[in-house]
Amino acid sequence: DAGITQSPRHKVTETGTPVTLRCHQTENHRYMYWYRQDPGHGLRLIHYSYGVKDTDKGEVSDGYSVSRSKTEDFLLTLESATSSQTSVYFCAISESDGEGTQYFGPGTRLLVL
Amino acid sequence: RKEVEQDPGPFNVPEGATVAFNCTYSNSASQSFFWYRQDCRKEPKLLMSVYSSGNEDGRFTAQLNRASQYISLLIRDSKLSDSATYLCVVNPYNQGGKLIFGQGTELSVKP
Repeated sequence: DAGITQSPRHKVTETGTPVTLRCHQTENHRYMYWYRQDPGHGLRLIHYSYGVKDTDKGEVSDGYSVSRSKTEDFLLTLESATSSQTSVYFCAISESDGEGTQYFGPGTRLLVL
Repeated sequence: RKEVEQDPGPFNVPEGATVAFNCTYSNSASQSFFWYRQDCRKEPKLLMSVYSSGNEDGRFTAQLNRASQYISLLIRDSKLSDSATYLCVVNPYNQGGKLIFGQGTELSVKP
C-alpha cells in the first residue's frame, strides 16, 4: 500500500470553527489531491497540488483552502465549518498528472454540528 | 447531465454469477479510463485501467467504446469478496490529472 496517512481520522466540530485536515505521504509523489465523498455525488475534487506551493482549485473549492509547504504534506482548511461540509474527506497522491493512477489515504470523517 | 454516469445499483447476485456494469461519460476528448473498487467505509483503490483494445485481469474484463462513450466492467464467477462499490473514473483531456469519478455501482454477492 502507498504510504499515505490522514489525520485526524474522525472529527466532530461545531459550525463556525476552523478545521484543518492533514495528508502526509512518504512516496515523494508530486501530485496531491483533496476530495470529498457524499452520497449521490461520488468523489468530488476540492483542491489539488502539482508541487510545493503550487495548488489549484477543483470542482467544489468554495469554503476550503489548502497549503503545501513540503512535498510530503498537504493541508486542507475549512475556514469556518458549515453543516454542508459534513462529509468524508479523502487525500490522494499520484506520480504523474494523469497517466498514472491515484492512491488514496484512509479518509477523514468530519461531522459539523 | 453528470460527466460520468453509473447505475448506482445495488446489483445483488449469487456466487458464481457473471455481472456487468456500464458507465457513460460526456467528454468525448477524455484520455484515459479506470475502474476503482471501494469497500464499505474504506478508500478507493485502483482495480484496473481500461484500454481501447480491452483488457482482462483474471475474472475481470474492462472494455472501452469511444464511439458510444461508455466503459464496461465484466466480473465472471463472482466471489463473496467481490462485494463492493465499483467506481468508473475518467481522466478528461488536458485537465492536469483531475479525475472525474462516477458515483459508483454497488455490488452484493450472496452465498
